[in-house]
Amino acid sequence: EVQLVESGGGLVQPGGSLRLSCAASGFTVSDHYMDWVRQAPGKGLEWVGRTRNKANSYTTEYAASVKGRFTISRDDSKSSLYLQMNSLKTEDTAVYYCVRASGTATGTFDYWGQGTLVTVSS
Amino acid sequence: DIVMTQSPDSLAVSLGERATINCKSSQTVLYSANNKNYLAWYQQKPGQPPKLLIYWASARESGVPDRFSGSGSGTDFTLTISSLQAEDVAVYYCQQYYSISAITFGQGTRLEIK
Repeated sequence: EVQLVESGGGLVQPGGSLRLSCAASGFTVSDHYMDWVRQAPGKGLEWVGRTRNKANSYTTEYAASVKGRFTISRDDSKSSLYLQMNSLKTEDTAVYYCVRASGTATGTFDYWGQGTLVTVSS
Repeated sequence: DIVMTQSPDSLAVSLGERATINCKSSQTVLYSANNKNYLAWYQQKPGQPPKLLIYWASARESGVPDRFSGSGSGTDFTLTISSLQAEDVAVYYCQQYYSISAITFGQGTRLEIK
């Protein structure tokens, strides 16, 4: 059974940093692109960024709203995905989901974690 | 970025009736080289993460009931629930992955029982 479990959310002040983790199980992590998607309270979905799979050299891409502040990394030996968030702004407050990109239609997300809440506030 | 606009923002449909949600993209999501529309639909129930329903505009994800169907091409798409069930109450999102470096979602459509 595929599982994605996020951790590391919490309250942080504007300008601060936070590192989210995602533990994956039930599939070969190195085969898949892995992404982060966020959802501000009561709002819609926003793609944050991705790390491609081993076959594509683990390259990363980011949404314009987080580029230069957020960094995605992965450790396939630990079946883990990470999101390092720096220079946090109040508008980064959201539930952050770790998601698996589908192998059938890369760019769609066939498994989602339950999410971890990040609150940026003074 | 490709802007995805859904209509309506909310919808109330009677049990057993048809529900239709529309999604329009600001530019085509049809890739001519493979004739595929890079458009997906998700369902999000309260307190849960989204669930993938449809990809390639009309392909149903494994395990999704066949009352859910997707149609459309180019810039205009539709998600149809043929006979609404109580468990279909949710917010539905369309998503384009044509621009895979700038994936975008629609604003969501809230579906309720009339």
